[in-house]
Amino acid sequence: NAGVTQTPKFRILKIGQSMTLQCTQDMNHNYMYWYRQDPGMGLKLIYYSVGAGITDKGEVPNGYNVSRSTTEDFPLRLELAAPSQTSVYFCASSYPYDRVVEQFFGPGTRLTVL
Amino acid sequence: AQTVTQSQPEMSVQEAETVTLSCTYDTSESNYYLFWYKQPPSRQMILVIRQEAYKQQNATENRFSVNFQKAAKSFSLKISDSQLGDTAMYFCAFMKPIYRGSTLGRLYFGRGTQLTVWP
Repeated sequence: NAGVTQTPKFRILKIGQSMTLQCTQDMNHNYMYWYRQDPGMGLKLIYYSVGAGITDKGEVPNGYNVSRSTTEDFPLRLELAAPSQTSVYFCASSYPYDRVVEQFFGPGTRLTVL
Repeated sequence: AQTVTQSQPEMSVQEAETVTLSCTYDTSESNYYLFWYKQPPSRQMILVIRQEAYKQQNATENRFSVNFQKAAKSFSLKISDSQLGDTAMYFCAFMKPIYRGSTLGRLYFGRGTQLTVWP
């Protein structure tokens, strides 16, 4: 049971490039989330998903897109990368029937846009 | 909007001593959850302890305990018998259900407190 995995661990992009951050969970969780953590700050929600085919915006969605074609995968797409998107990106998942409502986090992807 | 404030950017404590990290939050919600997450240099977010707002009893997990003051909107973390492995950034987080009655939650984080435990 690997939990939540994210690839890549690090990436450097040039302004205007695009990329996809991968996230996979093997816990059969329905709910999945993407957060970003800027230097010296807490995490902020970008997008979330309640199940395959259903996604919605969080607090800071501009510049990102998501899709959810399977329960396991929740990729985050950056189009036209900008320096303001330099951040650490965390994917998380949770089980809808868990009264404890804990979100399990992946190890993060550190992205630098130059 | 929900806000979470951690007023101590840095704290330090000697090994085996006790330290308390402060957190206040602002919300008009009545049904919510509070968490403390630990983030060591590996960047992995690790849940330390959770508290349901409807429970008056303070949560405890081994050496970690909270002081939850709902009326004051305060949620402090006490670490007893501090260990070198407790050195990390600690984040206080507030969660409210996105849909009423659901467990789908949006987490709001404070800016963190860097805790250093020294020998």
